[in-house]
Amino acid sequence: GDSVTQMEGPVTLSEEACLTINCTYTATGYPSLFWYVQYPGEGLQLLLKATKADDKGSNKGFEATYRKETTSFHLEKGSVQVSDSAVYFCALSDRGNTPLVFGKGTRLSVIA
Amino acid sequence: DAGVIQSPRHEVTEMGQEVTLRCKPISGHNSLFWYRQTMMRGLELLIYFNNNVPIDDSGMPEDRFSAKMPNASFSTLKIQPSEPRDSAVYFCASSLIPGIDSGANVLTFGAGSRLTVL
Repeated sequence: GDSVTQMEGPVTLSEEACLTINCTYTATGYPSLFWYVQYPGEGLQLLLKATKADDKGSNKGFEATYRKETTSFHLEKGSVQVSDSAVYFCALSDRGNTPLVFGKGTRLSVIA
Repeated sequence: DAGVIQSPRHEVTEMGQEVTLRCKPISGHNSLFWYRQTMMRGLELLIYFNNNVPIDDSGMPEDRFSAKMPNASFSTLKIQPSEPRDSAVYFCASSLIPGIDSGANVLTFGAGSRLTVL
């Protein structure tokens, strides 16, 4: 079945450092890809998404590019802030109404 | 819209007691999902509904778990009897069912219900 593998955390970075969180997927179809973020004590929020190959999703300085050839959707940010400290989830969904399949999440801590 | 509303936010109960978690989806959304989050297993889909009809409950761990959606604006997840291993954060999420040719559904999550079973 469909699955998502993302790098294990926790990841600890200093403020203004570069961030990359790796995500690869396995899917039988041609999925849409997502990054969700969970701040402490809150539910998940959509951060960005991409629905076809070579699409780049972006939001709040974060970016991820849908790479069909490598089945990847890595999350990047050039300069992280303390407020980016959260758990980040990569997810996929096949076309149509199929539920999201989530990775296990990567905890990011940014220290001043 | 106030978003997806879940209650209670925190529940502490003793083993063997019945637990009922509640969810009010976003008005107009016609798909509703229940997820469970634990440190060990991450986010697990328990069950989802389309237009109030359960579509897939294969993620419900045992017969002790049941979920209902009596109308478009309300759903419950019940655990009876509860056990310590049910301790987790339970999330409800809702979305619009996408068209066949449109992108996949974008979920809006509630803040979660943290359950502790002693």
